[in-house]
Amino acid sequence: EPEVTQTPSHQVTQMGQEVILRCVPISNHLYFYWYRQILGQKVEFLVSFYNNEISEKSEIFDDQFSVERPDGSNFTLKIRSTKLEDSAMYFCASPQWARDNEQFFGPGTRLTVL
Amino acid sequence: GIQVEQSPPDLILQEGANSTLRCNFSDSVNNLQWFHQNPWGQLINLFYIPSGTKQNGRLSATTVATERYSLLYISSSQTTDSGVYFCAVPYSGGGADGLTFGKGTHLIIQP
Repeated sequence: EPEVTQTPSHQVTQMGQEVILRCVPISNHLYFYWYRQILGQKVEFLVSFYNNEISEKSEIFDDQFSVERPDGSNFTLKIRSTKLEDSAMYFCASPQWARDNEQFFGPGTRLTVL
Repeated sequence: GIQVEQSPPDLILQEGANSTLRCNFSDSVNNLQWFHQNPWGQLINLFYIPSGTKQNGRLSATTVATERYSLLYISSSQTTDSGVYFCAVPYSGGGADGLTFGKGTHLIIQP
């Protein structure tokens, strides 16, 4: 069964550094999503990406964040100049089926900013 | 955007018990998903249920779209059912929107 994969599983960085989180979504689908979950809190939508462009973004997704699809399969979330409050689990998601929008989530990247 | 409220926030049960988790949402939606977040943090899809009733083993779900709520039923609970259960709906109601999640129900099943 197709699945969403994410790398790395855990990243530790110093405040002010840039990080790039990577995702390989389920293939043959044009929609991709990034979410974050601060420890102990709910999952929050960051951004959706459709046909190589940002489709929708939340208030959380400010100028510090960017998304790219550098090649045909990978999908990245870049956080410039990380802050302590960026520490969270970051999930990538994509639909699997062409018939509906049921989203399937990757295992997540746990980002720790020191 | 649409607001999602889940209840109860916490639930502690003995193995073998049944439970009902509720999700209320503030506006019309054309899809709804239930997830189980296991102790390792993975989000596992349980149901994609815009309306009606679905069953999968000991779990079932019902969404009454006209009344803006969904219920998740867990029967004969097992310790492996422990974790957080989230309900999520599209950010602005439909299509391929990003999902808005509720705060979840934290379920603990004791042996």
